Amino acid sequence: DSGVTQTPKHLITATGQRVTLRCSPRSGDLSVYWYQQSLDQGLQFLIQYYNGEERAKGNILERFSAQQFPDLHSELNLSSLELGDSALYFCASSVASGTSGPAETQYFGPGTRLLVL
Amino acid sequence: TQLLEQSPQFLSIQEGENLTVYCNSSSVFSSLQWYRQEPGEGPVLLVTVVTGGEVKKLKRLTFQFGDARKDSSLHITAAQTGDTGLYLCAGESASGGSYIPTFGRGTSLIVHP
Repeated sequence: DSGVTQTPKHLITATGQRVTLRCSPRSGDLSVYWYQQSLDQGLQFLIQYYNGEERAKGNILERFSAQQFPDLHSELNLSSLELGDSALYFCASSVASGTSGPAETQYFGPGTRLLVL
Repeated sequence: TQLLEQSPQFLSIQEGENLTVYCNSSSVFSSLQWYRQEPGEGPVLLVTVVTGGEVKKLKRLTFQFGDARKDSSLHITAAQTGDTGLYLCAGESASGGSYIPTFGRGTSLIVHP
């Protein structure tokens, strides 16, 4: 158990819909990272938040957005869903901001499996 | 986008065999990490290497970072069924003041009893 929790574990929805994925980081961790993992693309970094502020952006679509709340939990919002958005979505947390390098240890949650029909 | 190429993509071996998986890039990374991911779970960090030429050992696993910090290898001695999983390498590169993690596609390892 990494200490990172994600809900829901599974999500089935239809094209065009909007869903919200939730992540609670490990106690004391200020950074939250979101990743998408699919068979054809592998594990892709989407976005990072540190202490409530966006810190880094990766391959995140405009239809996707995220935020980190004062209690440090984070939500990833996926809208106008397409079949190709079906994937595993992981949240990871780390203590620091990730700006000082080298890589901070990231602790991954169990993921949310999204299926868009 | 800096790419990390992992090879082989799939590996199926018998318990007790040795194996090596590779992670290569044309770009230099400030650090490189190896993760293992089991089905239905998130990746778990195994090691971080930061110095060119560095070698780290974790029980039967030996990790090496290339001298030029563009490649890495993971060697497993006397594989066990518990080593089965997806092995991912991840490099970080600086981008706009942050270090962006880039993952390879992974090597899927199956160790048969």
